[in-house]
Amino acid sequence: ETGVTQSPTHLIKTRGQQVTLRCSSQSGHNTVSWYQQALGQGPQFIFQYYREEENGRGNFPPRFSGLQFPNYSSELNVNALELDDSALYLCASSSQWRGRGYGYTFGSGTRLTVV
Amino acid sequence: GNSVTQMEGPVTLSEEAFLTINCTYTATGYPSLFWYVQYPGEGLQLLLKATKADDKGSNKGFEATYRKETTSFHLEKGSVQVSDSAVYFCALSAGGGSNYKLTFGKGTLLTVNP
Repeated sequence: ETGVTQSPTHLIKTRGQQVTLRCSSQSGHNTVSWYQQALGQGPQFIFQYYREEENGRGNFPPRFSGLQFPNYSSELNVNALELDDSALYLCASSSQWRGRGYGYTFGSGTRLTVV
Repeated sequence: GNSVTQMEGPVTLSEEAFLTINCTYTATGYPSLFWYVQYPGEGLQLLLKATKADDKGSNKGFEATYRKETTSFHLEKGSVQVSDSAVYFCALSAGGGSNYKLTFGKGTLLTVNP
């Protein structure tokens, strides 16, 4: 089975710009979550999508938004970039029917640098 | 809210030494507990998990036991290798319904020297 793939791997943007990050879920997974990992920190939950609807959100402002598509791939959009948005953005997919104990499969992440 | 506390790193060991990384948690309900590992420049990989009290998760020589009475999930390995050098994250999942978000600790950097 294929894993979770993210694109691009690295990205440099200017403060105030907008960015779109992409994720392809692992085959058979219908739930996707996005996490932000600042340097030296643990990942922080941004939001989760299930059946193309957001069903959970962490403590992130509305300029962080997302989409999930019918094929379960996903996008993370960030508007009005700030320097503190510089981080590794991780996508994770899971299969809801297995329950919360199953765990998530993570992609390798997109390293976003805002200058 | 839910939280995970890991021992502060970095941890530096010699090859074949015994490893313990402490993890305690605070959560409502009955969380599932995980250890993830992150190698340099990579994403997270699930190392092991436990879904209920007294369960022991194990993988690649690593073990952790879900202790509800002490709200702990300490990671152990009897003999570490250089290839175990990585950052280790303890995490829990305690969402209700279909919301299974993960709450992570800050991570512990492990360096194993030959």
